[in-house]
Amino acid sequence: KAGVTQTPRYLIKTRGQQVTLSCSPISGHRSVSWYQQTPGQGLQFLFEYFSETQRNKGNFPGRFSGRQFSNSRSEMNVSTLELGDSALYLCASSTSDYGYTFGSGTRLTVV
Amino acid sequence: SQQGEEDPQALSIQEGENATMNCSYKTSINNLQWYRQNSGRGLVHLILIRSNEREKHSGRLRVTLDTSKKSSSLLITASRAADTASYFCATDAGGNNRLAFGKGNQVVVIP
Repeated sequence: KAGVTQTPRYLIKTRGQQVTLSCSPISGHRSVSWYQQTPGQGLQFLFEYFSETQRNKGNFPGRFSGRQFSNSRSEMNVSTLELGDSALYLCASSTSDYGYTFGSGTRLTVV
Repeated sequence: SQQGEEDPQALSIQEGENATMNCSYKTSINNLQWYRQNSGRGLVHLILIRSNEREKHSGRLRVTLDTSKKSSSLLITASRAADTASYFCATDAGGNNRLAFGKGNQVVVIP
């Protein structure tokens, strides 16, 4: 079956702009999580959605938000972009405690 | 503080040799997972070991878990050039569907 699909793969934005990233989980997976990966901070948990509800949220400012649709697809939005938001954003889906399947990520560059 | 911290060493080994990397964590866990990442792409789930398990095998991979020492190790036997990647351990602490990742170990397998 198809894996986790993230779009777009690469994105360049200007400071102050906003961006929306998309994630389509594996069919049947209802939990979608988002992670930010930077060289300095490593992999950090952003938030997790299950059945259109945010169940968990990491320690990120309110500029980072997300949502999940009825078909389990998820989007995350970052408003008022800062240079430090440049990162690889990874989405993962899972069904239970058998590990997570990650997408290939969206590499965001803020200039 | 971040759970799941690998020994911060980069390994460079010859093809055919074994590679071992370690991970320590700070609090009680439900399970510990190992992931591989190639060149800043998505994470690939390798193996999950539950807190009541001590050792687990998957192909050329062997994972051990010592909950008394709050540590885990990943052994890759008979390494191949294709094993060149970064390896991350991640802990799922409270069953709250958020992983805490370590900083990762860079492994280079020389053909």
